[in-house]
Amino acid sequence: EAQVTQNPRYLITVTGKKLTVTCSQNMNHEYMSWYRQDPGLGLRQIYYSMNVEVTDKGDVPEGYKVSRKEKRNFPLILESPSPNQTSLYFCASSLDGRLYSPLHFGNGTRLTVT
Amino acid sequence: EDKVVQSPLSLVVHEGDTVTLNCSYEVTNFRSLLWYKQEKKAPTFLFMLTSSGIEKKSGRLSSILDKKELFSILNITATQTGDSAIYLCAVAYTSGTYKYIFGTGTRLKVLA
Repeated sequence: EAQVTQNPRYLITVTGKKLTVTCSQNMNHEYMSWYRQDPGLGLRQIYYSMNVEVTDKGDVPEGYKVSRKEKRNFPLILESPSPNQTSLYFCASSLDGRLYSPLHFGNGTRLTVT
Repeated sequence: EDKVVQSPLSLVVHEGDTVTLNCSYEVTNFRSLLWYKQEKKAPTFLFMLTSSGIEKKSGRLSSILDKKELFSILNITATQTGDSAIYLCAVAYTSGTYKYIFGTGTRLKVLA
């Protein structure tokens, strides 16, 4: 089944403890992206990747890192999480990097930082 | 500033009603406009629009884009309780970067 898989689905952690949220897609998509969704603010882009080894900042990149060493994987790293990073996170991918195809979303990761 | 604005913010209707959701945008180098439905989980794709005036239709849902006036509408006819969700509008554009920008959504509640 074609899908975007995120893990974990739920994560509770403490301030400062490094964590990684994994994202994998099996559709050979070029474009991958991370979003956070907060009430009243909608979906905001954190980072995106046009292809392997090509990443760029979105609108809210502070406090996050990403890497794209393989086409299928695009992990999101929080080196030192803080409570303001408590949010619902979505990974998404689309077929081409020229943005003429729709985004397909993973099921989300609800992160709580205490 | 690039932005996508959806209206209304929320809407309550009764089963059988027809609703129209609005999405206006201001971006440079527009590529496409997309509609998504979000229930309690991930947004699911409904439509992608790239050309003005061409209606996309799927069952009771339809959508159209006006690239001159920079807006799109999503129509839902004969609404059902299963249509209750947040409807998101997104615009793909290039402005030195390659991005999708989302509106904050319209929350639709359909009462039985």
